[in-house]
Amino acid sequence: GQQVMQIPQYQHVQEGEDFTTYCNSSTTLSNIQWYKQRPGGHPVFLIQLVKSGEVKKQKRLTFQFGEAKKNSSLHITATQTTDVGTYFCAGTTGGYNKLIFGAGTRLAVHP
Amino acid sequence: EAGVAQSPRYKIIEKRQSVAFWCNPISGHATLYWYQQILGQGPKLLIQFQNNGVVDDSQLPKDRFSAERLKGVDSTLKIQPAKLEDSAVYLCASSLGMSYEQFFGPGTRLTVL
Repeated sequence: GQQVMQIPQYQHVQEGEDFTTYCNSSTTLSNIQWYKQRPGGHPVFLIQLVKSGEVKKQKRLTFQFGEAKKNSSLHITATQTTDVGTYFCAGTTGGYNKLIFGAGTRLAVHP
Repeated sequence: EAGVAQSPRYKIIEKRQSVAFWCNPISGHATLYWYQQILGQGPKLLIQFQNNGVVDDSQLPKDRFSAERLKGVDSTLKIQPAKLEDSAVYLCASSLGMSYEQFFGPGTRLTVL
């Protein structure tokens, strides 16, 4: 079945350093969504990418969707302690928005 | 705007007992999802409703799990009988439709002893 893989599993950074997490799908995706889950919290939607090669920015966050629509990345510039949490990518292949989540990348930021 | 409501927030049961979770989605959201999130993993879709019809339940262990969404609003997820491996957080989410962002509730943390 369809799989979505994320790397790295964990990332520890010093505050101010950059951070990137990568997402790869075994199949071509219709779209990809990114969610953030704070410790003890629930996933919160960040963004959705739909077009091949799409790049979107939200302040210090940059999201990319690969040309083949099988991979994606999230880059955070100059991390802050508020960025702590687990970042999940979730891809869909069908018409009914069934999300397949990756295992997530847990980000720890040391002040 | 009120978010997705879930209850209870925590539940501890013995194996072989039954348990039910309740979800009230955001008003007007047609699509409702139940996910299982095991510690250290991403959420796994159990069942997806569009209004009161089931769109996908391919990963729902139907011998022990059941879910319904009467009247296309609230939903309940039941486990009977529970197994140790059912210990997880059960997340409910809703969206306006099937191509929109999903809003998650706070989840129910289930511990099966």
